[in-house]
Amino acid sequence: GAVVSQHPSRVICKSGTSVKIECRSLDFQATTMFWYRQFPKQSLMLMATSNEGSKATYEQGVEKDKFLINHASLTLSTLTVTSAHPEDSSFYICSASAVGVVGPMHFGDGTRLSIL
Amino acid sequence: GQQVMQIPQYQHVQEGEDFTTYCNSSTTLSNIQWYKQRPGGHPVFLIQLVKSGEVKKQKRLTFQFGEAKKNSSLHITATQTTDVGTYFCAAGGGADGLTFGKGTHLIIQP
Repeated sequence: GAVVSQHPSRVICKSGTSVKIECRSLDFQATTMFWYRQFPKQSLMLMATSNEGSKATYEQGVEKDKFLINHASLTLSTLTVTSAHPEDSSFYICSASAVGVVGPMHFGDGTRLSIL
Repeated sequence: GQQVMQIPQYQHVQEGEDFTTYCNSSTTLSNIQWYKQRPGGHPVFLIQLVKSGEVKKQKRLTFQFGEAKKNSSLHITATQTTDVGTYFCAAGGGADGLTFGKGTHLIIQP
């Protein structure tokens, strides 16, 4: 079945550090990948849509200069949390679906980001 | 985008009891998907419903899509400890991403 790999799974770092999270579709091509954020006991909130070869589309209230997204190939999207602060601590999850498919989203394992 | 309301937020049941979570939308949905997220894990796709009035079963799980395509439910018969987790409905998909309901946290007491 379709597999999405997300790395790293856990990051603990000091305030002010920039953190890069990778999301890869391992056995299918994804022109579009999605980045979600989930706070404890809450639902997943869509942050941005990552489009291969073009600029990402950000949801209202999400700072594009804070959360840099790059989608350089059909199998890789990266999210960089720039100058992270404690309020950025959260669970970040990417998802992808195969090209042309409106159906199941395949999620990465998520990255738990803790900013001290 | 499409929005979905999901209730209840928490559900405590004794092992062996049934469980149901409900999703509602003010607009007609093109489809609805259900996901399960175990504590500390990521959402795992369970099913997608597309047709009006559709009913699908997966062992002890029964999924329904309303006739007006504005509501959906997930029913688990005779819960087991392995059913513990948060169940989300989600609308949308494709190029627009998914909009998730708030989820129902299922807590099972042995």
